[in-house]
Amino acid sequence: DTGVSQDPRHKITKRGQNVTFRCDPISEHNRLYWYRQTLGQGPEFLTYFQNEAQLEKSRLLSDRFSAERPKGSFSTLEIQRTEQGDSAMYLCASSLAGLAGRETQYFGPGTRLLVL
Amino acid sequence: AQSVTQLDSHVSVSEGTPVLLRCNYSSSYSPSLFWYVQHPNKGLQLLLKYTSAATLVKGINGFEAEFKKSETSFHLTKPSAHMSDAAEYFCVGGGYQKVTFGTGTKLQVIP
Repeated sequence: DTGVSQDPRHKITKRGQNVTFRCDPISEHNRLYWYRQTLGQGPEFLTYFQNEAQLEKSRLLSDRFSAERPKGSFSTLEIQRTEQGDSAMYLCASSLAGLAGRETQYFGPGTRLLVL
Repeated sequence: AQSVTQLDSHVSVSEGTPVLLRCNYSSSYSPSLFWYVQHPNKGLQLLLKYTSAATLVKGINGFEAEFKKSETSFHLTKPSAHMSDAAEYFCVGGGYQKVTFGTGTKLQVIP
């Protein structure tokens, strides 16, 4: 399968713990996006990378959230000191360079986080 | 600014009847618009994309959407619903640096 993959698919953690998610984009794609989707809502943009550079961060991305894409390939999203409000589906998408926001994004299956 | 509004949170149709999922957009410039489908516990799949080349866009699985500038709409249609079409559909607006998702429309197909 050469699509976008995410790991883990599910994560249950206790409040206050740190969690890290990984996204592997389609290999030739140079843009990588993170979104958060809560129950009954559409995905909300969190941040995106072009190659290894993080070019945009949403106001939704509090100081407890950090994302990296060190070699311009896979990306990690870390949440420190998790809160119950962080419970959501975290989606990753990748795309080939074009006008940012206008090119087709291909989504992974998501990581579902539950904070107890 | 780019935003999209999906007018119906739930749509129910009988199998074999037409599907209409409504989306309106607002944009201060020529928009890029997408429709994605999300089946339960699955990732988002692109159905179709509008990029100003043609106002009627054909997508996968028999879906199509028409861009109407005068109505600021990009409604998704399908002539005949299939049971496998039951899913959540998102209208998405592409703007500078990022995309904006609508709140989604859950399509129920009744046998």
